[in-house]
Amino acid sequence: DVKVTQSSRYLVKRTGEKVFLECVQDMDHENMFWYRQDPGLGLRLIYFSYDVKMKEKGDIPEGYSVSREKKERFSLILESASTNQTSMYLCASSPPKTGRNSPLHFGNGTRLTVT
Amino acid sequence: DQQVKQNSPSLSVQEGRISILNCDYTNSMFDYFLWYKKYPAEGPTFLISISSIKDKNEDGRFTVFLNKSAKHLSLHIVPSQPGDSAVYFCAAPSYNTDKLIFGTGTRLQVFP
Repeated sequence: DVKVTQSSRYLVKRTGEKVFLECVQDMDHENMFWYRQDPGLGLRLIYFSYDVKMKEKGDIPEGYSVSREKKERFSLILESASTNQTSMYLCASSPPKTGRNSPLHFGNGTRLTVT
Repeated sequence: DQQVKQNSPSLSVQEGRISILNCDYTNSMFDYFLWYKKYPAEGPTFLISISSIKDKNEDGRFTVFLNKSAKHLSLHIVPSQPGDSAVYFCAAPSYNTDKLIFGTGTRLQVFP
């Protein structure tokens, strides 16, 4: 069974802080993704990665960066946290051809509050 | 540009009855569709999918119907159970990149 683990379930940070959200998957998946979920807006893609050291912008990358130094780990970085980044953050992984041959596997999410 | 749309933010159904969740899409290049289910404080989990070469796929109580000419798909849950209460997202793989495009979700509540 695929396991995607997000390091924190809940985080409270102050405006302007640098925030790191960590995600680890144990199935040797090539693709990893960061989404945020907000009421009425669904799941929006922030960044994704096809391979180590590789990254692609999603639909809402502004204010975020990512790091993928190892295949199993994908980190989301908020360079300077702002209150509009208060959200549920979801990490996911899959083999290639996401959605067709294999669905995304999600972690349990990190609820981030920026005050 | 919302390519995958779920126009009903919420739905309330009595236990034992049918739940019908709807999803519309705008991009005719989409060739595969998925439904995910999400409980509070958990990540979404895959529920059922359908390829565009089919118009129906069934898995137990869950059936997805696809109407390509209308660019519309629906998820039927029969019979609905209280444990089905969750947020349901439809999604489609982008035709030119390896990512999923999600709808805004429909919150289903099944009451006794």
